Amino acid sequence: AQKVTQAQTEISVVEKEDVTLDCVYETRDTTYYLFWYKQPPSGELVFLIRRNSFDEQNEISGRYSWNFQKSTSSFNFTITASQVVDSAVYFCALTRVQGAQKLVFGQGTRLTINP
Amino acid sequence: NAGVMQNPRHLVRRRGQEARLRCSPMKGHSHVYWYRQLPEEGLKFMVYLQKENIIDESGMPKERFSAEFPKEGPSILRIQQVVRGDSAAYFCASSPLDTSYGYTFGSGTRLTVV
Repeated sequence: AQKVTQAQTEISVVEKEDVTLDCVYETRDTTYYLFWYKQPPSGELVFLIRRNSFDEQNEISGRYSWNFQKSTSSFNFTITASQVVDSAVYFCALTRVQGAQKLVFGQGTRLTINP
Repeated sequence: NAGVMQNPRHLVRRRGQEARLRCSPMKGHSHVYWYRQLPEEGLKFMVYLQKENIIDESGMPKERFSAEFPKEGPSILRIQQVVRGDSAAYFCASSPLDTSYGYTFGSGTRLTVV
């Protein structure tokens, strides 16, 4: 069975601070995809990144960066110099690679950036 | 080049009524997934469909819930005899068979049962 755990239910930081959202996953599959989604207060789901289990390189996109550690089954997300607009619920998710498969989501982390 | 279209955005039903939620997948996507998000919770998988086929319904409640994805038209999630506990946001996602192209989510339908 697949499982995603986001142990941090809520995080609150002051604007411009760096913040890391943790994601730990469980799977018996040797190949899989990992995702991060953002859900702003308006409610829609915004895709942030997809990572293939073959690729353990870290990725940076502007103020966002992702640290994939297969040895610890973690896929953590860091926001550098946070902004108020980053306030949202962030979800980590996992799916198999072969065929079209369902996404298994973590419980989400509510991030609040205070001015 | 519309994305995944869900309607209605908001739906209010009285207890005992039926709720019908619609999802039109992204053009070129042949797979549809329904997820439910209860208040203050994460998204839970409900059902995965291809055209005219239910592939995985392991997340569907055993009673009152059904889903279809006909040859023509949108996918429908139907909830019969709604109860207060059905109040949630229901999200639809679509993908091609090759999920390396990713999943695209709709904006969701917020169902409120009064």
